[in-house]
Amino acid sequence: KAGVTQTPRYLIKTRGQQVTLSCSPISGHRSVSWYQQTPGQGLQFLFEYFSETQRNKGNFPGRFSGRQFSNSRSEMNVSTLELGDSALYLCASSLDWTGQFFGPGTRLTVL
Amino acid sequence: EDQVTQSPEALRLQEGESSSLNCSYTVSGLRGLFWYRQDPGKGPEFLFTLYSAGEEKEKERLKATLTKKESFLHITAPKPEDSATYLCAVQATQGGSEKLVFGKGTKLTVNP
Repeated sequence: KAGVTQTPRYLIKTRGQQVTLSCSPISGHRSVSWYQQTPGQGLQFLFEYFSETQRNKGNFPGRFSGRQFSNSRSEMNVSTLELGDSALYLCASSLDWTGQFFGPGTRLTVL
Repeated sequence: EDQVTQSPEALRLQEGESSSLNCSYTVSGLRGLFWYRQDPGKGPEFLFTLYSAGEEKEKERLKATLTKKESFLHITAPKPEDSATYLCAVQATQGGSEKLVFGKGTKLTVNP
């Protein structure tokens, strides 16, 4: 069974730009969650989508948004990038809240 | 506020030297506690889920236990390939929304 895939793996953007990250979950998984990982804050929950609906949300500003398609693939968008948005963005899929399976992440650098 | 604290931040062991990692948590209504392993440059790899105090799970050299306030990850006779950062997370409900709250991890180094 193929694992969670994320594209692109690396991105370099400048302040003020926007970025879209993509995540393909494990086949059959309808829940997709997004996390931001930084050395200082660790792993922080952004939001979770289930059956194309945002089901849960963390404490991030509205510049961070996402969506999920009918095939469960998900995208995350960050608008008006700030230097502090530089991080590893991780996507995780699961059948439910037990045992989330993570992708390799997208390393975003904001200059 | 829901919090997860892991200790120690870093741990160095000799191959074969058993030890334990700690994860203490404060959460209103624990719905699940998760352990993950993360290698540099990779996403976390799922290890265990624990649901209730007294529960234990084992996998190879790893054993996870859970009490009402903390969880331990016991590593028996570790090998160099066990070197990684171990993350603990709790499933919490906040404002009607469910999320995983992660600790900052314990970086384990096992020397041959």
